[in-house]
Amino acid sequence: ETGVTQTPRHLVMGMTNKKSLKCEQHLGHNAMYWYKQSAKKPLELMFVYSLEERVENNSVPSRFSPECPNSSHLFLHLHTLQPEDSALYLCASSQERGGAEEQFFGPGTRLTVL
Amino acid sequence: GQNIDQPTEMTATEGAIVQINCTYQTSGFNGLFWYQQHAGEAPTFLSYNVLDGLEEKGRFSSFLSRSKGYSYLLLKELQMKDSASYLCAVRDSNYQLIWGAGTKLIIKP
Repeated sequence: ETGVTQTPRHLVMGMTNKKSLKCEQHLGHNAMYWYKQSAKKPLELMFVYSLEERVENNSVPSRFSPECPNSSHLFLHLHTLQPEDSALYLCASSQERGGAEEQFFGPGTRLTVL
Repeated sequence: GQNIDQPTEMTATEGAIVQINCTYQTSGFNGLFWYQQHAGEAPTFLSYNVLDGLEEKGRFSSFLSRSKGYSYLLLKELQMKDSASYLCAVRDSNYQLIWGAGTKLIIKP
């Protein structure tokens, strides 16, 4: 247990569906992250929130829409996804963005797009 | 462009020592991290190096040479539970983490 939880753990969806991934951190951190992890590829940073404000958006398609209602919760809203979006989606948090402290990861959501 | 290189897969024997290398080319350097990730689980933090030299933490040690753009993770007295992927990540001048693809370590009895 890292103090970061994610739901659901597994998700199968069609290309026309709309779903949301949820992340919650119980560590009192100020920064939260969404990553995409595909097989044999480096972690891809998707979004960064610091103190509930989005500070980075690394050219992610608009079919992915993040939401950070407070410093403990982070959502990733999904719509009209493509099969190539199938991957493990990891949420992480850290005390500050860019500090020397490590990031704490949730267990991830394994997403399959049919 | 920015790049982190590490071997895709390594195999070692229980009780032995293994060294996992990581080389990087990034725009600036503000620290290097090693994470461990078991299959189907979250990555967990192992070590952080920002100055040259060796950091030791129990059976695991991490080394950094900033002039060579090189780091390694040394695992001693290998146990079966050390079978996992090991991820190298560098924080660049914008304080963004650049990740390697990970090294899958297989431990054999």
